[in-house]
Amino acid sequence: SQKIEQNSEALNIQEGKTATLTCNYTNYSPAYLQWYRQDPGRGPVFLLLIRENEKEKRKERLKVTFDTTLKQSLFHITASQPADSATYLCADEGQGGKLIFGQGTELSVKP
Amino acid sequence: GAVVSQHPSWVICKSGTSVKIECRSLDFQATTMFWYRQFPKQSLMLMATSNEGSKATYEQGVEKDKFLINHASLTLSTLTVTSAHPEDSSFYICSAFGGVGETQYFGPGTRLLVL
Repeated sequence: SQKIEQNSEALNIQEGKTATLTCNYTNYSPAYLQWYRQDPGRGPVFLLLIRENEKEKRKERLKVTFDTTLKQSLFHITASQPADSATYLCADEGQGGKLIFGQGTELSVKP
Repeated sequence: GAVVSQHPSWVICKSGTSVKIECRSLDFQATTMFWYRQFPKQSLMLMATSNEGSKATYEQGVEKDKFLINHASLTLSTLTVTSAHPEDSSFYICSAFGGVGETQYFGPGTRLLVL
């Protein structure tokens, strides 16, 4: 069956470093993947969308890559700040617009 | 940007009662709204897809008679948890979708605690 997985439950890094989060997919080829940020007790907030024919997309300190050979998307936050601490979710949009989310990775940026 | 609201933001109720949660798209018309449920330390799980003027489509394992969805207009969808039980305690989140190629916008969520 189609699966989308984020294999790190938690990631702890030092302020100023680059955080790299991974999203893997198996048994299918998504046309595009989306990344969301979710703060505790809040709904997800859309960050970036990357299509399968795009190698990389950037938005300020955020960068997303899509590697169809590795069946993987990487999400990078450069010059990370404590305010970047949150759970980051990757998602695939299925039929009719419904989103299938990965388990999420909880990022903690220490000062 | 587009704003989606949910009301109430949290609710505590007794077991056996029904609870209604509203989801509104404030500044755009949503062709489709989605309802998700999230348990602690877990990701969002889609419960149902709601299209204005038609019956909701429920995901496998979600009881349609327990989770009643009404999509009365292009800006309002409601989820009613009927005869709530403690195991229904969760964080319920809606999203509104403007159409193909559009981004989904999520509401702030409603935390339900059933005693």
